[in-house]
Amino acid sequence: GENVEQHPSTLSVQEGDSAVIKCTYSDSASNYFPWYKQELGKGPQLIIDIRSNVGEKKDQRIAVTLNKTAKHFSLHITETQPEDSAVYFCAASKDRGQGAQKLVFGQGTRLTINP
Amino acid sequence: GAVVSQHPSRVICKSGTSVKIECRSLDFQATTMFWYRQFPKQSLMLMATSNEGSKATYEQGVEKDKFLINHASLTLSTLTVTSAHPEDSSFYICSASVLLAGGVYNEQFFGPGTRLTVL
Repeated sequence: GENVEQHPSTLSVQEGDSAVIKCTYSDSASNYFPWYKQELGKGPQLIIDIRSNVGEKKDQRIAVTLNKTAKHFSLHITETQPEDSAVYFCAASKDRGQGAQKLVFGQGTRLTINP
Repeated sequence: GAVVSQHPSRVICKSGTSVKIECRSLDFQATTMFWYRQFPKQSLMLMATSNEGSKATYEQGVEKDKFLINHASLTLSTLTVTSAHPEDSSFYICSASVLLAGGVYNEQFFGPGTRLTVL
């Protein structure tokens, strides 16, 4: 089955700097890669996602890149703000076939933005 | 749009009792709902996949007789933790899947979670 590895487990950056979180996946059939932000005591919130037919997607300060050949994808947050502090999870799934729609999550990254 | 609610948000119960958690998609019909469990400072682990009108599919290691899932309609799924014990204390999160782009893609929307504490 799919296995998703996420690094780093913790990340501390100065406000205004950029943060990068990286994930690798094992199943070449996976074609959907969402990123979630989870604040303490709350459910995960989708912040951006990418499908395997594109290599990069951007939404204001957030961008995701995908390298299908290397089976890795990354989250980039620019101009970080204190409210970006949270735990971020990457995930992978596939739309079709055995295990379709099941999200396999990375281990999570605790991002702290220092004012 | 695409709001998923859970009830209750927090529950404390005595060991041996059963607890029911509801998951509702408020403004869309979900093709599939998923139940996850998350222990402190850990990732989300899928427990089961639930489709309306059919039996849930449980992940390996998840006891189906302990975690009863009922998916009565396209907007409601329930998880019942039977004979709860302290080790069942966790954060339970549901998600609802909806087909997008004319039925080509799926996207999951998560509920706010339910904190279960078993004394």
